[in-house]
This record gives sequence, structure tokens and C-alpha cells, in this order.
Amino acid sequence: NAGVTQTPKFQVLKTGQSMTLQCAQDMNHEYMSWYRQDPGMGLRLIHYSVGAGITDQGEVPNGYNVSRSTTEDFPLRLLSAAPSQTSVYFCASSYSQGGVNTGELFFGEGSRLTVL
Amino acid sequence: SQQGEEDPQALSIQEGENATMNCSYKTSINNLQWYRQNSGRGLVHLILIRSNEREKHSGRLRVTLDTSKKSSSLLITASRAADTASYFCAEPPGGYNKLIFGAGTRLAVHP
Repeated sequence: NAGVTQTPKFQVLKTGQSMTLQCAQDMNHEYMSWYRQDPGMGLRLIHYSVGAGITDQGEVPNGYNVSRSTTEDFPLRLLSAAPSQTSVYFCASSYSQGGVNTGELFFGEGSRLTVL
Repeated sequence: SQQGEEDPQALSIQEGENATMNCSYKTSINNLQWYRQNSGRGLVHLILIRSNEREKHSGRLRVTLDTSKKSSSLLITASRAADTASYFCAEPPGGYNKLIFGAGTRLAVHP
């Protein structure tokens, strides 16, 4: 059981480039989310999904796109990278019990992105 | 920002001592969660305490919740070097789909 898998682990981009951070989970979890972690600021929610085909914005969605075509995958797209998007990105998933999100997040190991 | 705050920001102790971390949250909650993050790794869920609970234990972890003060504390007893990590509290003001994390407490346990 791999859990939540993120790729790539490290990436360097130039300003204006686009890229996709991949996230896959093999636990059949309904809920998935993307966070970014910056020094001294904890984690901030970018986008989340409550199931295939359903996504919504979190606290800091600007500059990012997501889609959820399958239960397993939740890619995060940077449309035109900016130095302010230099961060560590975490994907997480959670499951429901009795139709209610338990809220217990399972995290990937992170993707470290530098934008020059 | 709705982000809560952990206190202290950093804590350094010797093995065998107890470590106490505090969390002040901002919203009305149904529950509060604590997570651990080892350096360079993802976060790991430790414990969830519901708003109708005042105290909860899990192994060497003890969590308290005071909803009147909007605060929670995490106590790690008989700490070990392997407890060295950052610890975060998380509240779900908008439901479990939108957890809000504090900035974390960095704990260093020295052998």
C-alpha cells in the first residue's frame, strides 16, 4: 500500500513556465487536497476535491488549477510560475465514515518547487 | 487569515523530559487535530479531539481542549530523540474538507 504518492520530489522552474505536480492515492479515499508550506506560515490550502469531478478553491488558489477525473489522481497545475510560488507542496487525502469526511489527512512526502 | 497559533515556536528539551505545546485557534470548532512532521517529510496525523471532550490520550500523548478559551495543548511524556519534529494543530472551520493549520512548534529532543 503506497498511500499518497507525489511526483516530482524536486523541481526548478523559470518564471513563466508551467508544470504539473502529480498526486496519486491508492486508498480509495474520496477527499483530496493540495497545501503549500512556507517557512513560518504552516500549511495553506490551495484546492480540494470531495470526489471525482468535483473541485473547489481553498485559501490561496490563484495561479493554480486542479482537476479530478478519477478517484486516485489529483494533479496540481501551475499555469505561469512566479517566484512567489517557490514552496513545498503537499497532497493529502482523507476518507469518509457513514458518508461524513473523517478529516484525518494522509499526506504525501511533498514536492519542493523553486521558481527562479 | 484564519490560521491559529502554536506556542512556543520552538522547544528544546532533554530525553526523558515532558514537552508541552499549545495551540490557540480562531473559529468555533467541532474538533481539533494534531499532526507531526519530521524534517523533510509529510505530516502524520497524531490525534483528534472532539469539542465535547476535554482530554484524550494516545500512548505518550495527552491532548486537552478548552473551547471556552479556544485553546488546546499537546503533552508528550518521557520524550525521546525520535520525537524531534514539528507539531501542528489543525482546525476545520469550514468542515473537514478545509483544514486550517497553525505555524507549528519545532521540538528538539536531545539525547
